Amino acid sequence: DAGVTQSPTHLIKTRGQQVTLRCSPKSGHDTVSWYQQALGQGPQFIFQYYEEEERQRGNFPDRFSGHQFPNYSSELNVNALLLGDSALYLCASSRAGPGELFFGEGSRLTVL
Amino acid sequence: DQQVKQNSPSLSVQEGRISILNCDYTNSMFDYFLWYKKYPAEGPTFLISISSIKDKNEDGRFTVFLNKSAKHLSLHIVPSQPGDSAVYFCAASAFGAAGNKLTFGGGTRVLVKP
Repeated sequence: DAGVTQSPTHLIKTRGQQVTLRCSPKSGHDTVSWYQQALGQGPQFIFQYYEEEERQRGNFPDRFSGHQFPNYSSELNVNALLLGDSALYLCASSRAGPGELFFGEGSRLTVL
Repeated sequence: DQQVKQNSPSLSVQEGRISILNCDYTNSMFDYFLWYKKYPAEGPTFLISISSIKDKNEDGRFTVFLNKSAKHLSLHIVPSQPGDSAVYFCAASAFGAAGNKLTFGGGTRVLVKP
């Protein structure tokens, strides 16, 4: 049973560019959440997708957008990259309702 | 505004002894609390959780205590093992659904010495 898978694992971009990160949830999960973890800090909630719609959103600018596909996989897009967007981006999946989140290994983004 | 705080950035403990990790929160709407463990180059792994209707939950070597009046929770690991060396995150959510948005603390790095 595959867990949460994310791609790519590492990537380097320059300021102003755009990036797309991908996530496949754990089998049987229909809810996908994205978190940003800066160095030395805890993960911060970006947004959550359920039934292909954004259900909740954290305090992130509109440059951060996402999508969920009918097979429950998800993408995170960040436009007009800033140096401060350098971080580990974590995808987590869950079933709707109570239950813990299962995290992927993350995508390490470096913005130069 | 940091709603979940882990005031100890690091903790060092001898193998076989107890590790106690602390977490404070400010949002009284939080009703479900979780602990995650994170190794380098891996995603966080769920450890244990507790609902606000309980004050203790135990799972093997791990016990979480919740003091709602103090808005404080702690994780006890007994006995500590070298494989427990990792960063531990406290997290909280509102409305009783861990599938909802989680608010994380900054983490506590635990080192268990053989």
